[in-house]
Amino acid sequence: AQSVTQLGSHVSVSEGALVLLRCNYSSSVPPYLFWYVQYPNQGLQLLLKYTTGATLVKGINGFEAEFKKSETSFHLTKPSAHMSDAAEYFCAVTRSGGYNKLIFGAGTRLAVHP
Amino acid sequence: GAGVSQSPRYKVAKRGQDVALRCDPISGHVSLFWYQQALGQGPEFLTYFQNEAQLDKSGLPSDRFFAERPEGSVSTLKIQRTQQEDSAVYLCASSLVPAGRSSYNEQFFGPGTRLTVL
Repeated sequence: AQSVTQLGSHVSVSEGALVLLRCNYSSSVPPYLFWYVQYPNQGLQLLLKYTTGATLVKGINGFEAEFKKSETSFHLTKPSAHMSDAAEYFCAVTRSGGYNKLIFGAGTRLAVHP
Repeated sequence: GAGVSQSPRYKVAKRGQDVALRCDPISGHVSLFWYQQALGQGPEFLTYFQNEAQLDKSGLPSDRFFAERPEGSVSTLKIQRTQQEDSAVYLCASSLVPAGRSSYNEQFFGPGTRLTVL
């Protein structure tokens, strides 16, 4: 079975500071990994994904994540936070084959203060 | 073109009422997923359609939940005899090609329907 753990339900950073949102996964088969962002009253928007190939993936809005198999992690980073980054972030996993249903973590709410 | 749309955006039901939630996927998308997102939680898978065929309904929490996609486009999630624990945001997502291939195809999410059962 697959699962996702997001460490820290709330993260607060200053504008311009590094953003680090943690995600660890469990999967018995090679995973596909994702980060989604959810703004209030909106649907989920894909930030970035890892399927195969390069383990450092770049996404939209300056975010990137690195797949580390040995650590079973897929942490999300952004060098400099912007006020508009304040939102809920979800890490998710699925696997090749099957029906690609996404297994989500509980989410991390990011607050950015001036 | 338009993205995934869902209606209504908000629904308040009295306990015991039946509700129907609608999802309009992106035109031409073969795959359609329903997820349930309880307050403060991540979305949880409910069911998957490939065209009109419901291939996976393992996430439906009880037999009060029923989903259909009769013509392979619009889908309806129906909840009978609603209970307070059904209060959640119900998300619909669609993707272009059938799931289960070797490569992942992005799921595009709608804004969700927030169901509150009193």
